[in-house]
Amino acid sequence: SFVLTQPPSVSVAPGQTATITCGGNNIGRKSVNWYQQEPGQAPVLVVYDDSDRPAGMPERFSGSNSGNTATLTITRVEAGDEADYYCQVWDSNGDLVVFGGGTKLTVL
Amino acid sequence: QVQLVESGGGVVQPGKSLKLSCAASGFTFKDFAVHWVRQAPGKGLEWVAVISFDGSKKHYLDSVKGRFSISRDNSRNTLYLQMNNLTSEDTAMYHCAKSSHEVAAADIDTWGQGTLVTVSS
Repeated sequence: SFVLTQPPSVSVAPGQTATITCGGNNIGRKSVNWYQQEPGQAPVLVVYDDSDRPAGMPERFSGSNSGNTATLTITRVEAGDEADYYCQVWDSNGDLVVFGGGTKLTVL
Repeated sequence: QVQLVESGGGVVQPGKSLKLSCAASGFTFKDFAVHWVRQAPGKGLEWVAVISFDGSKKHYLDSVKGRFSISRDNSRNTLYLQMNNLTSEDTAMYHCAKSSHEVAAADIDTWGQGTLVTVSS
């Protein structure tokens, strides 16, 4: 099945920009969704269809997708952004949902 | 307010069965596909199964095929997951999750808090 690869961890200082990548074979041809999960909480959708934001999601969260890499970018990072982030696609070959392994964002 | 509330989790012995339920409210349940997604303690998200809006299409993670069965009752706004022949590998928090569309190939826009399943002798 389709494999999504994320870095286990990313660290950034408050106010800086965090970049979380999601690698997959020709992932640029797929629609990528991103979820944020704070400890002990259910995941929350932060970006869908590569770069769209759900209603109410701050503009600080943005996404892009091209070639073999999708990217979630969080600008002006805040302490409250510290969480695990997961990318996700639909694998039409196997008719299944695939999640990346997750990236723990640490705000220094 | 869109809400998904799971129930039915607990401690079960290996080889036994368990049935999870998910009560939906705040939206027209019959218009959307719904998923089960699990998360083992300290691990990442793992998709388990999805059912289309009308129940006509179901897809499963390979490791649960033949053991788990997803179903829905649109008259009761409820999603189910029947889990048979459970193993320790099935120990996880199980989340009910709503697709943003009637089909499975769309983002998941709402998640329940989950129900914990522990498989242990």
